[in-house]
Amino acid sequence: QSALTQPASVSGSPGQSITISCTETSSDIDDYNFVSWYQQHPGKAPKLLIYDVSERPSGVSVRFSGSKSVKTASLTISGLQSEDEADYYCASYTSTSWVFGGGTKLTVL
Amino acid sequence: EAQLVESGGGLVKPGESLRLSCAASGFTFSSYIMNWVRQAPGKGLEWVSSISASSSYIFYTDSVKGRFTISRDNAKNSLNLQMDSLRAEDTGVYYCAREHTAAGSGRWFDPWGQGTLVIVSS
Repeated sequence: QSALTQPASVSGSPGQSITISCTETSSDIDDYNFVSWYQQHPGKAPKLLIYDVSERPSGVSVRFSGSKSVKTASLTISGLQSEDEADYYCASYTSTSWVFGGGTKLTVL
Repeated sequence: EAQLVESGGGLVKPGESLRLSCAASGFTFSSYIMNWVRQAPGKGLEWVSSISASSSYIFYTDSVKGRFTISRDNAKNSLNLQMDSLRAEDTGVYYCAREHTAAGSGRWFDPWGQGTLVIVSS
């Protein structure tokens, strides 16, 4: 069974940096080098933040960065701003399906 | 700019059917794998189904196999999801999402539609 595990919640003060982890707990995922991250504000559609672990699409703030170590991918948000308060999801895929992490709620104090 | 717009959601009773549609614009629809992703109220994202560009490959999450059917009409730039034998646990917002990739890269979802709400309740 494929699974991506994220912390349920994280918090930080404006200006601080936070990191959200995403740990793969199975061997089904094709290549854990291809993790993507999505931001979702309440009542809105998810938005792509990071793809291929650390690549940032045009238009996404440089304050968002991604990295990976073995089976754990991480999303770091630097210089926290109030508008960063949202839910964040990691995702990866197998040969026949996609897997999302359970989501992490970021609270900006 | 690539854009996806879902429609067809609504309130249905358990056991009934519903057909969702997703209208694509701003990109060459026939070149992309397309997906449906859902989100139950207050819960996380759950991948539902994907269909390859030419409809040759179709995949479903286990919980909807035999009940949901994904299809596409490349001439009309349209993605569909026929949902039969609906259950209360199918309630949620359904998003269509384009699966993007590039040479030497992985895969990711971008863009997403705004979602359409499906409520299954007696």
